[in-house]
Amino acid sequence: RKEVEQDPGPFNVPEGATVAFNCTYSNSASQSFFWYRQDCRKEPKLLMSVYSSGNEDGRFTAQLNRASQYISLLIRDSKLSDSATYLCVVNWYNFNKFYFGSGTKLNVKP
Amino acid sequence: NAGVTQTPKFQVLKTGQSMTLQCAQDMNHNSMYWYRQDPGMGLRLIYYSASEGTTDKGEVPNGYNVSRLNKREFSLRLESAAPSQTSVYFCASSEVPPQSYGYTFGSGTRLTVV
Repeated sequence: RKEVEQDPGPFNVPEGATVAFNCTYSNSASQSFFWYRQDCRKEPKLLMSVYSSGNEDGRFTAQLNRASQYISLLIRDSKLSDSATYLCVVNWYNFNKFYFGSGTKLNVKP
Repeated sequence: NAGVTQTPKFQVLKTGQSMTLQCAQDMNHNSMYWYRQDPGMGLRLIYYSASEGTTDKGEVPNGYNVSRLNKREFSLRLESAAPSQTSVYFCASSEVPPQSYGYTFGSGTRLTVV
C-alpha cells in the first residue's frame, strides 16, 4: 500500500466550476500536510499547507480529516490557469521525510 | 532570482557511465534534498542533508551518492548509470523545520540512460 494515494484523474471541468480532490494517507501518526501544484514539465511549487482546522487561500480551501485519514483540496471558480497536477504531501515521524502522492491532473476548459 | 539552481537540465548517458548532478541554493536554507520523479510513482526521496556536514539516505538511495559541499551546494552522483535511473531529478531546499515552510524545488534534470 502506498503511503499517500491520489486519484490520477484527469478531472476535466469548465471554467467557473468548483472541483475537489481527495488524498488518503496510510499512517495515522502523520503530522504535516501540504498541497503542491506542478505544471507540465515544471517543478512542484507549494500551493498551501493544510491545518487541522482547515484553511482557505483565496479560491482554494484545504481540509484535513484525521479520523478518515484524508486531506482535500477544493477549488472554486476554476480558471484556465488552474490546469495543472496537484500533489498531496504528507510528513510523519521524521521531519526530513515527506511522502508525495503521484498527483491528480486537472484540466480546466473554456 | 533567488531560488534553487540545478544543472544540467537534460542529460543522456550510456549504461555504466557516471555523472554528477549539481544543485545550489541562495536562500540560506539549512536542509537540502534530492528527489526523483517517475510516472505514476510520485516524488521519491533519494538522499537528504539536514544541515551542512550531514547526509542521510532517503527512500531510494541505491545507485547514488551525495556530497554536501557547503551550505549552498548539494550534489548527486551516479557512479554507474543504469536504465532504471532514467527519471526526472529534483533538488529542493527548505527552512527548518520544513513542516512549517515546505520545499523550494529546482527546475529539474531530465536524465535518460540508454
